Amino acid sequence: QSALTQPASVSGSPGQSITISCTGTSSDVGSYNLVSWYQQHPGKAPKLMIYEVSKRPSGVSNRFSGSKSGNTASLTISGLQAEDEADYYCCSYAGSTWVFGGGTKLTVL
Amino acid sequence: EVQLVESGGGLVQPGGSLKLSCAASGFTFSGSAMHWVRQASGKGLEWVGRIRSKANSYATAYAASVKGRFTISRDDSKNTAYLQMNSLKTEDTAVYYCTIAVAAPFDYWGQGTLVTVSS
Repeated sequence: QSALTQPASVSGSPGQSITISCTGTSSDVGSYNLVSWYQQHPGKAPKLMIYEVSKRPSGVSNRFSGSKSGNTASLTISGLQAEDEADYYCCSYAGSTWVFGGGTKLTVL
Repeated sequence: EVQLVESGGGLVQPGGSLKLSCAASGFTFSGSAMHWVRQASGKGLEWVGRIRSKANSYATAYAASVKGRFTISRDDSKNTAYLQMNSLKTEDTAVYYCTIAVAAPFDYWGQGTLVTVSS
């Protein structure tokens, strides 16, 4: 039950696009289309941004998109805005359990 | 409006026990699986475990790091889920969140309750 692997940090300028990767194994990301992404601002509870690899909950900007290839999922944020600066976590179903990534700190320059 | 409110956190000595509660409202509690997720200060999210609904036999599952020490239960008459934590270790120090999947995994979260394990 190892954590999914995410880069510790990514950065981008306003208006640019960034992509955060999330690498798992054939027991989690590779086996299920149940990858979700969460945004967390300091001191706040996580917020669901993407579920089932690429679906957006109501109210989440279409600047956020998700994809998956093999054992790696990705979150892309286009048209970066200052309020996107936060920590981002991926999460995958792993067959009766769930596993999160280590988190990625997004800095908007 | 979906609401999840955790309570019961506090300071406990290593080897001690603590029971957290998660009071829920705004959705069909009895039909929903309830999950617990924790976050140590400055660290990432860690899924702790879940309990399914009565229709799914109240089945539980736990992360390897807490299996055998933590127990999740629920009282559908009170719309409340519980996390019983025994044999606590310093590394269990974290904010504990309850979370659910109404339309998608972990689409609603509580505000969290802090558990500190220290002598």
